[in-house]
Amino acid sequence: DGGITQSPKYLFRKEGQNVTLSCEQNLNHDAMYWYRQDPGQGLRLIYYSQIVNDFQKGDIAEGYSVSREKKESFPLTVTSAQKNPTAFYLCASSPTQVELEKLFFGSGTQLSVL
Amino acid sequence: AQSVTQPDIHITVSEGASLELRCNYSYGATPYLFWYVQSPGQGLQLLLKYFSGDTLVQGIKGFEAEFKRSQSSFNLRKPSVHWSDAAEYFCAVGVNNDMRFGAGTRLTVKP
Repeated sequence: DGGITQSPKYLFRKEGQNVTLSCEQNLNHDAMYWYRQDPGQGLRLIYYSQIVNDFQKGDIAEGYSVSREKKESFPLTVTSAQKNPTAFYLCASSPTQVELEKLFFGSGTQLSVL
Repeated sequence: AQSVTQPDIHITVSEGASLELRCNYSYGATPYLFWYVQSPGQGLQLLLKYFSGDTLVQGIKGFEAEFKRSQSSFNLRKPSVHWSDAAEYFCAVGVNNDMRFGAGTRLTVKP
């Protein structure tokens, strides 16, 4: 079955450490997204990519970085510059950026600070 | 400012009772409108969407929503709630190829 795999399910970060969240899709979608979810704040867009080797900042990109070297993969790195990284991170994809009705979500990664 | 507002942070209903979750948006044009459901520790699942046409849309799991242009609202309804409906519900709007989410409403279902 096609879908999005996010790993790990739970991740712990030490002070000053960079951590990378994995997102892999086998839906053959061109567009991929990273959202951050905090209680009571809904989802906020961190980065998105419309196509391989291209990505754009979202509303809260500071302290994060991404790469899109392969169509199926869109890893998110939470850098030490992100001072409040504890949140639930959701990866999503859609066939193209305009096909919002076909947005498909992974099951998320909970990141916590030790 | 452009926004999506879900006025109710938390709602509790009894099993079998009816449900209405509110959503208001403030965008210049009529955006695409969506409702998603999220179980704890999971991703979001699309319940229904509105693009144009009939303002009452049917979705999965017995949910429906009504678009009211005059009120800039897109409220989600269900005639009879089941215990398995307990989850968090997000209203979202799609405008300019961008998806904007409300803060969510957490639904608790009493036996």
